Amino acid sequence: KAGVTQTPRYLIKTRGQQVTLSCSPISGHRSVSWYQQTPGQGLQFLFEYFSETQRNKGNFPGRFSGRQFSNSRSEMNVSTLELGDSALYLCASRSTGAPQETQYFGPGTRLLVL
Amino acid sequence: QKEVEQDPGPLSVPEGAIVSLNCTYSNSAFQYFMWYRQYSRKGPELLMYTYSSGNKEDGRFTAQVDKSSKYISLFIRDSQPSDSATYLCAMSAISNTGKLIFGQGTTLQVKP
Repeated sequence: KAGVTQTPRYLIKTRGQQVTLSCSPISGHRSVSWYQQTPGQGLQFLFEYFSETQRNKGNFPGRFSGRQFSNSRSEMNVSTLELGDSALYLCASRSTGAPQETQYFGPGTRLLVL
Repeated sequence: QKEVEQDPGPLSVPEGAIVSLNCTYSNSAFQYFMWYRQYSRKGPELLMYTYSSGNKEDGRFTAQVDKSSKYISLFIRDSQPSDSATYLCAMSAISNTGKLIFGQGTTLQVKP
């Protein structure tokens, strides 16, 4: 089975721009979670989607949003980028009914905001 | 104060040593405890998970959870240079939200 894939792998944007990141979960997985990883704050939960519905959200401003499609692929969007949004953005997928500890992570998208 | 505390290291050990990695937490609602390994430029990889208290062993890896002390550990026996990575502890409450709370991660270097 193919693993979790994320595109693009690297992005450079400037302040004020917006960005969309994509995540394709493992085939058959319907839950997708997104995380932000920075050296200062570590890995922080952004949100989780299941069957096209956001089920849980972390403590991030409304500039961070996401969605999930009927094929379970997910996108996250960050509007009005700030320097502090520079980070590795990771998505993780989980199969239906599996314990939530069995999250499988993609390689991440590294975003640099200039 | 963070919900999960983990010493970032770095931790440097000789090949073959026993490595002990630890996390403490403050939220008594946490029931699931995980250890992830992250190599540079890669996503985290699940190593071990434990539900509630107790020990779990998998090859060279042993995970321990002491809920009374709010303390979890990962032991690596016969450490290898290929074990050099960042180790992240993660936890979640029993409610099925897909949300994991991570420690800062400990950077481990195993020297040949």
